[in-house]
Amino acid sequence: DAKTTQPPSMDCAEGRAANLPCNHSTISGNEYVYWYRQIHSQGPQYIIHGLKNNETNEMASLIITEDRKSSTLILPHATLRDTAVYYCIGRFYGQNFVFGPGTRLSVLP
Amino acid sequence: DAGVTQSPTHLIKTRGQQVTLRCSPKSGHDTVSWYQQALGQGPQFIFQYYEEEERQRGNFPDRFSGHQFPNYSSELNVNALLLGDSALYLCASSYPRGQAWDSPLHFGNGTRLTVT
Repeated sequence: DAKTTQPPSMDCAEGRAANLPCNHSTISGNEYVYWYRQIHSQGPQYIIHGLKNNETNEMASLIITEDRKSSTLILPHATLRDTAVYYCIGRFYGQNFVFGPGTRLSVLP
Repeated sequence: DAGVTQSPTHLIKTRGQQVTLRCSPKSGHDTVSWYQQALGQGPQFIFQYYEEEERQRGNFPDRFSGHQFPNYSSELNVNALLLGDSALYLCASSYPRGQAWDSPLHFGNGTRLTVT
């Protein structure tokens, strides 16, 4: 599985867009990029995933660079409830999900 | 539609004891994975069960074992508990293999195990 690197922490003002970067320079052509978040004392929550194209759902948008070496998770209007640890994971089909330390996002009022 | 459910939510055990944790997967899912999450760290993969067999295993000793039942529910057993086994144990399930090969894992809220 691709090794991903993320900043350990970020702050974002409530109501503004939160842009969380992830570097996955060793990702291969068949590895998907997944994003999860974990709010304190809960299990990880699936947010979004993609392979090459940008993806959007009701929670977030995922922007993957053309060379697939990095991606950005965008929360368009961050709220206090978005404060969590965000994990970026690269994964082949059939392989287990490998979690790193993630990015601790603090949404500030 | 119930998501992944785990029991119990909290558990306190003494060193050397044995513990069994339980998991019911999300409806329609047949593959179950277990993760251990120490305080302040990301979840670490323990093993995965599919068709009642262990299919993949992470770097965990044989003290950690599991089982999957015909209804797809699963148990995680840990023998000879150590203080270092204190952690949040997470169960996750996913869609049947071959039907949605990029399908994500869906996690329960875990069992908090404290070993004293």
